[in-house]
Amino acid sequence: GQNIDQPTEMTATEGAIVQINCTYQTSGFNGLFWYQQHAGEAPTFLSYNVLDGLEEKGRFSSFLSRSKGYSYLLLKELQMKDSASYLCAVRDSNYQLIWGAGTKLIIKP
Amino acid sequence: IAGITQAPTSQILAAGRRMTLRCTQDMRHNAMYWYRQDLGLGLRLIHYSNTAGTTGKGEVPDGYSVSRANTDDFPLTLASAVPSQTSVYFCASSGGATGELFFGEGSRLTVL
Repeated sequence: GQNIDQPTEMTATEGAIVQINCTYQTSGFNGLFWYQQHAGEAPTFLSYNVLDGLEEKGRFSSFLSRSKGYSYLLLKELQMKDSASYLCAVRDSNYQLIWGAGTKLIIKP
Repeated sequence: IAGITQAPTSQILAAGRRMTLRCTQDMRHNAMYWYRQDLGLGLRLIHYSNTAGTTGKGEVPDGYSVSRANTDDFPLTLASAVPSQTSVYFCASSGGATGELFFGEGSRLTVL
């Protein structure tokens, strides 16, 4: 079966750096997405990786290793507004998205 | 820029009633999706449409139906609601350079 694993919850301190990991087992691979979802709101697109390596976008970076079935989202200079759930999703060979359950990130002052 | 509009935003419904959740997009995206999101679970695909006039079943289609008469509208119907359909429902469309999803604000449905 297809599976996406990510930690349920993480806690970090304002101003610090946090890495949220995502491992996947899917039928084929056509890209990996990270979305941010604040409580009570809709998910919003953060990043996309289709080739191995690091994609940087401001304070957020996303890394992909296709051979390991592994990605991480790196958040730098954490701000209180970064408190949210972070969803990892993989597009499989049928171009369908397989979603992880999300990682709830709690930022403490 | 409206993006994707869902209605209603919240609804309490008696079991056995019929309910239609509305979804409209103004981005002219071909592909649209309906997901449900439940605590502790990932987004689960109910139905999708790759283009106007076509629909397909997702991971959890039972008890739900959709139609796609035109590019902009993609309503989701619960023919006879049951308590297990209590959830937050998100409509989405895909577009952009990466085909990322754009989500509506969600419809919170409670079936009693």
